Amino acid sequence: EAGVTQSPTHLIKTRGQQATLRCSPISGHTSVYWYQQALGLGLQFLLWYDEGEERNRGNFPPRFSGRQFPNYSSELNVNALELEDSALYLCASSFRQFYNSPLHFGNGTRLTVT
Amino acid sequence: AQSVTQLDSHVSVSEGTPVLLRCNYSSSYSPSLFWYVQHPNKGLQLLLKYTSAATLVKGINGFEAEFKKSETSFHLTKPSAHMSDAAEYFCAGGGATNKLIFGTGTLLAVQP
Repeated sequence: EAGVTQSPTHLIKTRGQQATLRCSPISGHTSVYWYQQALGLGLQFLLWYDEGEERNRGNFPPRFSGRQFPNYSSELNVNALELEDSALYLCASSFRQFYNSPLHFGNGTRLTVT
Repeated sequence: AQSVTQLDSHVSVSEGTPVLLRCNYSSSYSPSLFWYVQHPNKGLQLLLKYTSAATLVKGINGFEAEFKKSETSFHLTKPSAHMSDAAEYFCAGGGATNKLIFGTGTLLAVQP
C-alpha cells in the first residue's frame, strides 16, 4: 500500500511569492490534514479537509488556503510568502476523523523563504 | 480548551536502559491520545493510540503507554532502549473539536 506522498520535497521561494504544496492521501482515505512544523514551534494544525470540504482551520492568516479534489488529493497554497513561513509542511490522511482512524503522515515539503 | 504537554524537551538514556517520555493532556471530553515518532527529515510514524478500549496500550517496536485519567497522563515507556530509538517523539490528543493537537516534542538520545 502506497503511503501519503507529498511534492515537492523541497521548495525555495522569495518573500512575496506564492507557494503550492501537494499531497496524495493513502488510497481509501477521505480526510487530509495539513500541519506546519517550524523550528522550535512544534506541529501547528493548519487545515483539515474531508470529502472535498474544509472542516476545520487552525490559527493561521487567510493567505494560507487549500482545497481537496474529487480524488481526495489536496493542495496547500501560501500567498504573499513571509520569511517566517519557512518550515516543514506535513500532510496526513485518515479514513474519516482522526479519533476513529489515526493520521498517516507523508515525509513533508521543506519550504524555504528567502 | 484541550492541550497536550510534553514535560521534557530532551531525554537521554543509555542503550539497554528503560525509556520514559512524559505527556499530560487537558480535555473536557474523553480524549483520543496518540504517540508518534519522527526520525530526521521524515514524517511522523504512529507508535500507538488510545481510544478508551484499554488503559494500557501496546505499540510498535516494544513501546507502550498507559492512560491514567486521575493523573491526566499518557506516558510512553519502553523496557530497554535501542540505538535506533533515537528520534523525536510527539504526544497528540484530540476530542470533540476535531483537531488533533500535538505536544512540542521530546528528543530522545540513546547513548552507547
